[in-house]
Amino acid sequence: QVQLVESGGGVVQPGRSLRLSCAASGFTFTDYAMHWVRQAPGKGLEWVAMTSYDESSKYYANSVEGRFTISRDTSKNILYLQLNSLRTEDTAIYYCARVVNGSPKNWGQGTLVTVSS
Amino acid sequence: DVVMTQSPLSLPVTLGQPASISCRSSQSLLYTDGNTYLSWFQQRPGQSPRRLIYKVSNRDSGVPDRFSGSGSGTDFTLRISRVEAEDVGVYYCMQTRHWPQTFGQGTKVEIK
Repeated sequence: QVQLVESGGGVVQPGRSLRLSCAASGFTFTDYAMHWVRQAPGKGLEWVAMTSYDESSKYYANSVEGRFTISRDTSKNILYLQLNSLRTEDTAIYYCARVVNGSPKNWGQGTLVTVSS
Repeated sequence: DVVMTQSPLSLPVTLGQPASISCRSSQSLLYTDGNTYLSWFQQRPGQSPRRLIYKVSNRDSGVPDRFSGSGSGTDFTLRISRVEAEDVGVYYCMQTRHWPQTFGQGTKVEIK
């Protein structure tokens, strides 16, 4: 069955960097576009970034453009999100999700990023 | 950015009664391929989101048939025919037609 397992979250100071990972299994990783979506504590869902199946297209939310980078390692079946120049407002649970039929169908359990001095 | 506006934001419902959530987009979600890219998600307390509906009205496998989606263009609705206790949570619409992709604010469904 499809499994997505995020890791790499933690507490980090403003301005620092973090790399999140999403280990994918149960499907052919190279066939699917993938998303990152985040959720600040007690708030709604916010779409963050998407990469096409072959990384030929990548898109970002305005709030993270130029600071975050989405990528994938097809040899390891891992999706990454590099978070640079972190701000307190980036504090959230970060979910990875697989795109099926045009929107995120399968979601991981999320990893919590806390940006605080 | 395309703004997704849900209403109501809070929906107290009686068990066994129907419920309806509206979602309106600031731009049409119809794509040139003929599909309309509007999805619905359920997030139960303490859980990850779960997709219920894609492309307006297509129910995902395993989703009870009491959930249905309808609409076109910029106006969409999620209906629950008879609310059950397990339906408590927050429901989000999402558009994947335009970049950046965007979610509605969420509608919290609770039992009266």
